[in-house]
Amino acid sequence: DAKTTQPPSMDCAEGRAANLPCNHSTISGNEYVYWYRQIHSQGPQYIIHGLKNNETNEMASLIITEDRKSSTLILPHATLRDTAVYYCIVRVANFGNEKLTFGTGTRLTIIP
Amino acid sequence: DTGVSQNPRHKITKRGQNVTFRCDPISEHNRLYWYRQTLGQGPEFLTYFQNEAQLEKSRLLSDRFSAERPKGSFSTLEIQRTEQGDSAMYLCASSLGPGVLFFGSGTQLSVL
Repeated sequence: DAKTTQPPSMDCAEGRAANLPCNHSTISGNEYVYWYRQIHSQGPQYIIHGLKNNETNEMASLIITEDRKSSTLILPHATLRDTAVYYCIVRVANFGNEKLTFGTGTRLTIIP
Repeated sequence: DTGVSQNPRHKITKRGQNVTFRCDPISEHNRLYWYRQTLGQGPEFLTYFQNEAQLEKSRLLSDRFSAERPKGSFSTLEIQRTEQGDSAMYLCASSLGPGVLFFGSGTQLSVL
């Protein structure tokens, strides 16, 4: 699986959009970008994933650059409950390759 | 609540003792995973089951560790002769397919 690079920490004001970047310059054509987050004392929570098109769900939006070497997770209206560590993971989405490799992620702090 | 359930939430043991953790996955999920997480690090993959078959084990899973999933339902993770280095959060996750995992809240193990 391709390696990802994320800033170790970010702050965002409550109510503003939080934009979390991720670099994955060695991504292969069949590798997806996944985002998880982990709130203190809880297990990681799946947020969203995509291959090359931008994706949106009830939690967030995922913007993947045209060359797929980087992506941005957008939380449109951040709340205090969005304070967490956010992990960007790149992997092939096929059966038989089940392992998710987590890095150290970005610690996002939402400021009141 | 139909999420992934892990018990106990916390376990304190003395070095050299054996401990066992239990994970109850989401009922229709045939894939089950164990991860370990130490302070400041992302979760690390330990092992993976598809139904009752243990299909992949990390090199992190030493001979003192054993995991089972009888009848493809709940799973147990046993650590024999615990060492202080085993102190960590042990996370269980389940899924229907690759990449989208649902995690439990984990078992925090402290070895004194």
